[in-house]
Amino acid sequence: KAGVTQTPRYLIKTRGQQVTLSCSPISGHRSVSWYQQTPGQGLQFLFEYFSETQRNKGNFPGRFSGRQFSNSRSEMNVSTLELGDSALYLCASSPDLSMTYNYGYTFGSGTRLTVV
Amino acid sequence: GENVEQHPSTLSVQEGDSAVIKCTYSDSASNYFPWYKQELGKGPQLIIDIRSNVGEKKDQRIAVTLNKTAKHFSLHITETQPEDSAVYFCAASATGGSYIPTFGRGTSLIVHP
Repeated sequence: KAGVTQTPRYLIKTRGQQVTLSCSPISGHRSVSWYQQTPGQGLQFLFEYFSETQRNKGNFPGRFSGRQFSNSRSEMNVSTLELGDSALYLCASSPDLSMTYNYGYTFGSGTRLTVV
Repeated sequence: GENVEQHPSTLSVQEGDSAVIKCTYSDSASNYFPWYKQELGKGPQLIIDIRSNVGEKKDQRIAVTLNKTAKHFSLHITETQPEDSAVYFCAASATGGSYIPTFGRGTSLIVHP
């Protein structure tokens, strides 16, 4: 079966712009989590969506937002980009977060965002 | 909240040697400890996990150990091969709460042929 698909794979944006990243989870998975990965900080949790509702949110500013559609596909948006937003953004899907106790996450390959 | 410390940040070994990566956690409520392997250009992939009611788990050349009293857990890779070269992340999460895992900062393992 198809894995987690993230698009685009690479993005270059200018400071002040906004960007939208997309994630299509594994078919049947209803929970989508987003992580920011940087060399210094590792994987930082952004937010989690389940059935079109944000259930959990990490400690990121309001410039980071997301949404989930009825088909479980999710998007995240970053407005007013800063240089420090340069990172690999990873999407992870699971049937439900409680299922990660038995099966862990399935991650996509990520979107590499570079802010110049 | 939970805090997971991972060491070392970089580990270089010769092919055939063993590699050990160690993590400590702070929240005694954490009871699930997965390990992920991230190869270049890919997302992390779950390779092994351990639950708090188990002290050790093995899967071929990899094993994890858990010491609940000391709040630390380790990944052991024996007979390392060049394809083991990757970044490894440990994580900790708790059932009954949000289930959101807290990740360590990662260990870059380099296996020299």
